[in-house]
Amino acid sequence: SQQGEEDPQALSIQEGENATMNCSYKTSINNLQWYRQNSGRGLVHLILIRSNEREKHSGRLRVTLDTSKKSSSLLITASRAADTASYFCATIPSGGSYIPTFGRGTSLIVHP
Amino acid sequence: DTGVSQDPRHKITKRGQNVTFRCDPISEHNRLYWYRQTLGQGPEFLTYFQNEAQLEKSRLLSDRFSAERPKGSFSTLEIQRTEQGDSAMYLCASSLVRSAGSRDEKLFFGSGTQLSVL
Repeated sequence: SQQGEEDPQALSIQEGENATMNCSYKTSINNLQWYRQNSGRGLVHLILIRSNEREKHSGRLRVTLDTSKKSSSLLITASRAADTASYFCATIPSGGSYIPTFGRGTSLIVHP
Repeated sequence: DTGVSQDPRHKITKRGQNVTFRCDPISEHNRLYWYRQTLGQGPEFLTYFQNEAQLEKSRLLSDRFSAERPKGSFSTLEIQRTEQGDSAMYLCASSLVRSAGSRDEKLFFGSGTQLSVL
């Protein structure tokens, strides 16, 4: 089962534009993480936001978390062609078994 | 810099055959995870280990799937009597848990083993 659901499923933009993708989840979380996956490769960790945090930045990445709405967003500013990849959110539950659960992902294409 | 290593990168097998995949985590990492990913989907959790202890295996897809981590280092995932529906990318990830109850470590993934069952 997949807890996090990303939206949109696919996003196509021009280089230099901003890309925003959203993640919704269902149960209480300890933290939420965003990962990136290039085609045919493993996932790479981008950023982690804890349940008591509302916003976090890392370079061109900005992540927000709204635990009341059970949602998070990932903003990539000034996108580059090299940002083309799939992006996944992973939710880590606050209790029970430690099972990082991934959503279906957003496929981002950045046109040069 | 040695990351998570998976072997083989690709495996083609005939239906009914057994296959085994290997994962070598980052050396100091004590947690190891197996995920399965099909095209257009996110990784689906299968099982994980804390050192050599398998802490969650109820998500393994059937009793044809088994995993081991005999000495708390490398791990193997075996699929017996493969079916065409087993075709997928099998991903391994590892992490370092610094304290009991910690939940905020990040996962480091290998490049995966792509399984094709004919």
